[in-house]
Amino acid sequence: DQQVKQNSPSLSVQEGRISILNCDYTNSMFDYFLWYKKYPAEGPTFLISISSIKDKNEDGRFTVFLNKSAKHLSLHIVPSQPGDSAVYFCAAIGGTSYGKLTFGQGTILTVHP
Amino acid sequence: DTEVTQTPKHLVMGMTNKKSLKCEQHMGHRAMYWYKQKAKKPPELMFVYSYEKLSINESVPSRFSPECPNSSLLNLHLHALQPEDSALYLCASSQSSQHEQFFGPGTRLTVL
Repeated sequence: DQQVKQNSPSLSVQEGRISILNCDYTNSMFDYFLWYKKYPAEGPTFLISISSIKDKNEDGRFTVFLNKSAKHLSLHIVPSQPGDSAVYFCAAIGGTSYGKLTFGQGTILTVHP
Repeated sequence: DTEVTQTPKHLVMGMTNKKSLKCEQHMGHRAMYWYKQKAKKPPELMFVYSYEKLSINESVPSRFSPECPNSSLLNLHLHALQPEDSALYLCASSQSSQHEQFFGPGTRLTVL
């Protein structure tokens, strides 16, 4: 039972344009959501998070939007840069699973110069 | 210091060997974690330590044995591993179990 889903395995974007990565969840007890970026053979790097009491959080080029009624969140990267090319994981915490990050399967983002 | 460090970076071991992975953080975090990641998959949680006590064990085989000597250190002792245990082993820490986790670079383990 996959409680966090990233339905797009890959996304290709031109440099300077917006990248939008999507994530859906099924567990209504999740109350904290995170995005991580990962390069091959390295640990995930924390990017940005959002609490369920908010619908938007912004940090530089990265903005996360949360739609609780739809159980959907998205990460916007504007403008996209070639160095953003990596695997992006959505993750969630909450309910009885405090301490356990539930990850999505990841989306490979490629930003072309 | 905002880093989580892990040693060694790479490890090759036979199925009869005993080895240990080490993790250290100096951010004052009170929760530490071990994850296992296979290629093209998300990290899978193995263990959670909160205030130096084991709080979550995700039904990990006993050939993996975690140890938390103090609030800054986390070890993973390995014994009699199988080739299918080959993976990237990641350590993470967080301020508490309700906050974002910061990951180390990982140890690439190969079991022959």
